[in-house]
Amino acid sequence: QQQVKQSPQSLIVQKGGISIINCAYENTAFDYFPWYQQFPGKGPALLIAIRPDVSEKKEGRFTISFNKSAKQFSLHIMDSQPGDSATYFCAASKPGGYQKVTFGTGTKLQVIP
Amino acid sequence: ETGVTQSPTHLIKTRGQQVTLRCSSQSGHNTVSWYQQALGQGPQFIFQYYREEENGRGNFPPRFSGLQFPNYSSELNVNALELDDSALYLCASSYNAQGNYGYTFGSGTRLTVV
Repeated sequence: QQQVKQSPQSLIVQKGGISIINCAYENTAFDYFPWYQQFPGKGPALLIAIRPDVSEKKEGRFTISFNKSAKQFSLHIMDSQPGDSATYFCAASKPGGYQKVTFGTGTKLQVIP
Repeated sequence: ETGVTQSPTHLIKTRGQQVTLRCSSQSGHNTVSWYQQALGQGPQFIFQYYREEENGRGNFPPRFSGLQFPNYSSELNVNALELDDSALYLCASSYNAQGNYGYTFGSGTRLTVV
């Protein structure tokens, strides 16, 4: 059972454009929603995260929008740059005895000059 | 402040063999989690170690086992390797076992089973 669904699978954006990646979750117990960025040959790196009591969080060019009622959240990358080309994973975790993060399937972003 | 380091970076093993992967957690982190990332997929949770004990496990068979040492470093052991075990194995450390503060991942060990 895939608890976090991510789309699109791949995305091509021109330099300066807006990249948008969407995710949907099923488990209402999730209370932490991070986004990870992964470059080839590297492990994922935490990019930005949000908790469900907030509808939007912005850090530099990266913004998470969160819709609790729809159980959806999205990553917006403003003024996309070639250096942003990477695979992006949305994720979710819930409180409990241990931290298990459930990842989406990933979106491969390519920003073309 | 050092990050998470994993060794080796690449490994080739034969089906049926056993393998040990190693991880040093980031300074100040006491919890280590292991993930398996198949090609083109998101990481899948294997298990988590806190205070030298396994305190959470994903849907992986018992031939996947681990250890955590007093310095918070960790090992992942896989017995009776199968072809489907070929993947990138990621170690992630965090401040504690229960809080959601985000992981710091290592660069992973690429395991190929032939």
